Amino acid sequence: EAQVTQNPRYLITVTGKKLTVTCSQNMNHEYMSWYRQDPGLGLRQIYYSMNVEVTDKGDVPEGYKVSRKEKRNFPLILESPSPNQTSLYFCASSLIGRGHTEAFFGQGTRLTVV
Amino acid sequence: AQKVTQAQTEISVVEKEDVTLDCVYETRDTTYYLFWYKQPPSGELVFLIRRNSFDEQNEISGRYSWNFQKSTSSFNFTITASQVVDSAVYFCAQGTSGTYKYIFGTGTRLKVLA
Repeated sequence: EAQVTQNPRYLITVTGKKLTVTCSQNMNHEYMSWYRQDPGLGLRQIYYSMNVEVTDKGDVPEGYKVSRKEKRNFPLILESPSPNQTSLYFCASSLIGRGHTEAFFGQGTRLTVV
Repeated sequence: AQKVTQAQTEISVVEKEDVTLDCVYETRDTTYYLFWYKQPPSGELVFLIRRNSFDEQNEISGRYSWNFQKSTSSFNFTITASQVVDSAVYFCAQGTSGTYKYIFGTGTRLKVLA
Protein backbone atom coordinates (compact mmCIF):
# COMPACT_ATOMS: atom_id res chain seq x y z
CA GLU A 1 0.00 0.00 0.00
CA ALA A 2 1.33 3.42 -0.99
CA GLN A 3 1.85 5.45 2.12
CA VAL A 4 3.76 8.06 4.07
CA THR A 5 4.53 7.00 7.62
CA GLN A 6 5.31 9.44 10.38
CA ASN A 7 6.40 8.60 13.89
CA PRO A 8 5.51 9.29 16.56
CA ARG A 9 1.87 10.35 16.23
CA TYR A 10 1.92 12.16 19.57
CA LEU A 11 4.83 13.58 21.48
CA ILE A 12 5.11 15.65 24.63
CA THR A 13 8.58 16.92 25.43
CA VAL A 14 10.34 19.55 27.47
CA THR A 15 12.02 22.70 26.26
CA GLY A 16 15.52 22.09 24.98
CA LYS A 17 15.39 18.32 24.66
CA LYS A 18 16.40 17.33 21.14
CA LEU A 19 13.89 15.26 19.23
CA THR A 20 13.45 13.70 15.81
CA VAL A 21 10.22 13.01 13.96
CA THR A 22 10.68 10.36 11.32
CA CYS A 23 9.04 10.26 7.91
CA SER A 24 9.22 7.46 5.39
CA GLN A 25 7.52 6.92 2.02
CA ASN A 26 7.34 3.82 -0.14
CA MET A 27 6.41 5.41 -3.46
CA ASN A 28 9.90 6.34 -4.73
CA HIS A 29 8.90 10.02 -4.71
CA GLU A 30 11.60 12.60 -5.30
CA TYR A 31 9.92 15.47 -3.46
CA MET A 32 9.39 15.39 0.29
CA SER A 33 8.46 18.19 2.63
CA TRP A 34 7.49 19.05 6.17
CA TYR A 35 4.66 21.34 7.22
CA ARG A 36 3.32 22.64 10.46
CA GLN A 37 -0.37 23.34 10.92
CA ASP A 38 -1.48 25.99 13.36
CA PRO A 39 -4.99 27.40 13.89
CA GLY A 40 -5.72 30.25 11.51
CA LEU A 41 -2.41 29.83 9.70
CA GLY A 42 -3.07 26.80 7.56
CA LEU A 43 -0.15 24.60 6.60
CA ARG A 44 3.22 26.29 6.39
CA GLN A 45 6.14 24.62 4.71
CA ILE A 46 9.18 24.16 6.95
CA TYR A 47 11.67 22.42 4.65
CA TYR A 48 11.50 20.55 1.40
CA SER A 49 13.75 18.21 -0.51
CA MET A 50 13.83 17.61 -4.23
CA ASN A 51 16.00 14.53 -4.00
CA VAL A 52 18.71 12.81 -1.96
CA GLU A 53 21.10 15.33 -0.41
CA VAL A 54 19.07 18.26 -1.81
CA THR A 55 17.13 20.23 0.78
CA ASP A 56 15.89 23.80 0.94
CA LYS A 57 14.12 26.09 3.33
CA GLY A 58 10.41 26.62 3.20
CA ASP A 59 8.66 29.58 4.78
CA VAL A 60 9.24 28.75 8.45
CA PRO A 61 12.58 26.91 8.79
CA GLU A 62 13.86 28.54 11.98
CA GLY A 63 14.47 26.04 14.76
CA TYR A 64 14.31 22.99 12.50
CA LYS A 65 16.77 20.80 10.63
CA VAL A 66 16.24 18.07 8.06
CA SER A 67 18.34 15.55 6.20
CA ARG A 68 17.79 13.42 3.11
CA LYS A 69 20.35 10.67 3.08
CA GLU A 70 18.01 8.15 1.46
CA LYS A 71 15.21 8.75 -0.98
CA ARG A 72 12.53 7.22 1.22
CA ASN A 73 13.36 9.01 4.51
CA PHE A 74 13.12 12.65 5.49
CA PRO A 75 13.43 13.15 9.26
CA LEU A 76 12.62 16.45 10.96
CA ILE A 77 14.98 17.40 13.77
CA LEU A 78 14.32 19.90 16.52
CA GLU A 79 17.68 20.49 18.17
CA SER A 80 16.33 22.60 21.02
CA PRO A 81 12.53 22.63 20.99
CA SER A 82 10.68 25.62 22.37
CA PRO A 83 7.00 26.05 23.30
CA ASN A 84 6.32 28.00 20.09
CA GLN A 85 7.06 24.81 18.18
CA THR A 86 4.01 23.17 19.69
CA SER A 87 2.02 22.29 16.61
CA LEU A 88 0.64 19.60 14.33
CA TYR A 89 3.29 18.44 11.87
CA PHE A 90 2.76 16.75 8.53
CA CYS A 91 5.23 15.09 6.24
CA ALA A 92 4.36 14.75 2.56
CA SER A 93 5.82 13.27 -0.59
CA SER A 94 5.11 13.67 -4.29
CA LEU A 95 6.54 13.27 -7.75
CA ILE A 96 8.06 16.32 -9.35
CA GLY A 97 9.50 15.16 -12.66
CA ARG A 98 6.69 16.71 -14.68
CA GLY A 99 5.87 19.47 -12.26
CA HIS A 100 4.25 19.28 -8.88
CA THR A 101 1.83 16.40 -8.48
CA GLU A 102 -0.59 15.50 -5.72
CA ALA A 103 1.03 15.25 -2.33
CA PHE A 104 0.61 12.19 -0.15
CA PHE A 105 0.54 13.07 3.52
CA GLY A 106 1.45 11.22 6.65
CA GLN A 107 -1.07 10.96 9.48
CA GLY A 108 0.47 13.87 11.35
CA THR A 109 2.48 14.27 14.55
CA ARG A 110 1.02 16.33 17.34
CA LEU A 111 3.93 17.84 19.24
CA THR A 112 3.64 19.61 22.57
CA VAL A 113 6.67 21.36 24.03
CA VAL A 114 6.33 22.32 27.70
CA ALA B 1 6.07 36.37 -4.35
CA GLN B 2 4.12 33.15 -4.05
CA LYS B 3 0.91 33.35 -2.06
CA VAL B 4 -2.44 31.63 -1.71
CA THR B 5 -5.38 33.45 -0.14
CA GLN B 6 -8.54 31.83 1.13
CA ALA B 7 -10.49 34.76 2.47
CA GLN B 8 -13.38 32.69 3.82
CA THR B 9 -12.40 31.43 7.24
CA GLU B 10 -15.59 29.54 7.94
CA ILE B 11 -18.79 28.87 6.01
CA SER B 12 -21.97 27.26 7.30
CA VAL B 13 -24.65 25.94 4.98
CA VAL B 14 -27.69 23.77 5.32
CA GLU B 15 -27.61 20.37 3.70
CA LYS B 16 -28.43 20.38 -0.03
CA GLU B 17 -27.32 23.97 -0.50
CA ASP B 18 -24.59 24.74 -3.02
CA VAL B 19 -21.43 26.35 -1.68
CA THR B 20 -18.39 27.90 -3.32
CA LEU B 21 -14.99 28.11 -1.66
CA ASP B 22 -12.75 30.85 -2.98
CA CYS B 23 -9.03 30.65 -3.69
CA VAL B 24 -6.87 33.45 -5.04
CA TYR B 25 -3.22 32.83 -5.85
CA GLU B 26 -0.17 34.93 -6.63
CA THR B 27 2.97 33.89 -8.47
CA ARG B 28 5.47 35.29 -10.93
CA ASP B 29 6.05 31.91 -12.53
CA THR B 30 4.37 31.07 -15.80
CA THR B 31 4.33 27.37 -14.94
CA TYR B 32 2.55 26.50 -11.74
CA TYR B 33 0.17 23.95 -10.29
CA LEU B 34 -2.92 24.44 -8.19
CA PHE B 35 -4.50 21.96 -5.81
CA TRP B 36 -7.39 21.46 -3.44
CA TYR B 37 -7.15 19.24 -0.37
CA LYS B 38 -9.77 18.22 2.16
CA GLN B 39 -9.08 17.73 5.85
CA PRO B 40 -12.04 15.99 7.52
CA PRO B 41 -12.45 16.02 11.31
CA SER B 42 -10.31 12.88 11.54
CA GLY B 43 -7.34 15.04 10.53
CA GLU B 44 -5.85 13.41 7.46
CA LEU B 45 -5.26 15.40 4.28
CA VAL B 46 -7.00 14.14 1.17
CA PHE B 47 -6.13 15.23 -2.36
CA LEU B 48 -9.07 16.44 -4.46
CA ILE B 49 -7.73 17.99 -7.66
CA ARG B 50 -4.64 19.25 -9.50
CA ARG B 51 -4.56 21.84 -12.26
CA ASN B 52 -1.57 23.18 -14.20
CA SER B 53 -1.28 26.76 -15.37
CA PHE B 54 -1.75 25.82 -19.02
CA ASP B 55 -5.06 24.10 -18.52
CA GLU B 56 -7.92 26.47 -17.75
CA GLN B 57 -10.58 23.93 -18.46
CA ASN B 58 -13.10 23.68 -15.67
CA GLU B 59 -13.64 20.27 -14.14
CA ILE B 60 -16.57 18.47 -12.64
CA SER B 61 -16.36 15.35 -10.53
CA GLY B 62 -19.69 14.27 -9.17
CA ARG B 63 -20.94 17.03 -6.87
CA TYR B 64 -17.59 18.82 -7.01
CA SER B 65 -16.57 21.35 -9.63
CA TRP B 66 -13.63 23.68 -10.03
CA ASN B 67 -13.41 26.99 -11.86
CA PHE B 68 -9.89 28.06 -12.83
CA GLN B 69 -9.58 31.62 -14.15
CA LYS B 70 -6.10 32.97 -14.87
CA SER B 71 -7.49 36.43 -15.58
CA THR B 72 -8.51 36.79 -11.94
CA SER B 73 -5.88 34.40 -10.49
CA SER B 74 -8.61 32.34 -8.95
CA PHE B 75 -9.25 28.64 -8.55
CA ASN B 76 -12.64 28.29 -6.89
CA PHE B 77 -14.27 25.10 -5.68
CA THR B 78 -18.02 24.49 -5.70
CA ILE B 79 -19.87 21.72 -3.91
CA THR B 80 -23.35 21.15 -5.28
CA ALA B 81 -26.09 19.79 -3.03
CA SER B 82 -23.82 19.72 0.00
CA GLN B 83 -23.95 16.86 2.47
CA VAL B 84 -23.00 16.58 6.13
CA VAL B 85 -20.01 14.43 5.11
CA ASP B 86 -18.62 17.43 3.24
CA SER B 87 -17.97 19.13 6.58
CA ALA B 88 -14.20 19.63 6.69
CA VAL B 89 -11.45 22.15 6.30
CA TYR B 90 -10.56 22.72 2.66
CA PHE B 91 -7.15 23.91 1.60
CA CYS B 92 -6.08 25.44 -1.68
CA ALA B 93 -2.37 25.04 -2.53
CA GLN B 94 0.11 26.08 -5.17
CA GLY B 95 3.37 24.60 -6.39
CA THR B 96 5.64 26.42 -8.81
CA SER B 97 8.46 25.38 -11.08
CA GLY B 98 10.54 28.34 -10.00
CA THR B 99 11.18 27.93 -6.30
CA TYR B 100 9.64 24.46 -6.03
CA LYS B 101 7.96 25.56 -2.84
CA TYR B 102 4.50 24.22 -2.15
CA ILE B 103 2.31 26.84 -0.52
CA PHE B 104 -1.04 26.36 1.18
CA GLY B 105 -3.77 28.83 1.94
CA THR B 106 -5.06 29.21 5.48
CA GLY B 107 -8.02 26.96 4.77
CA THR B 108 -11.81 27.33 4.83
CA ARG B 109 -13.80 25.42 7.41
CA LEU B 110 -17.07 24.23 5.90
CA LYS B 111 -19.89 23.19 8.18
CA VAL B 112 -22.84 21.48 6.58
CA LEU B 113 -25.82 21.35 8.90
CA ALA B 114 -28.47 18.64 8.67
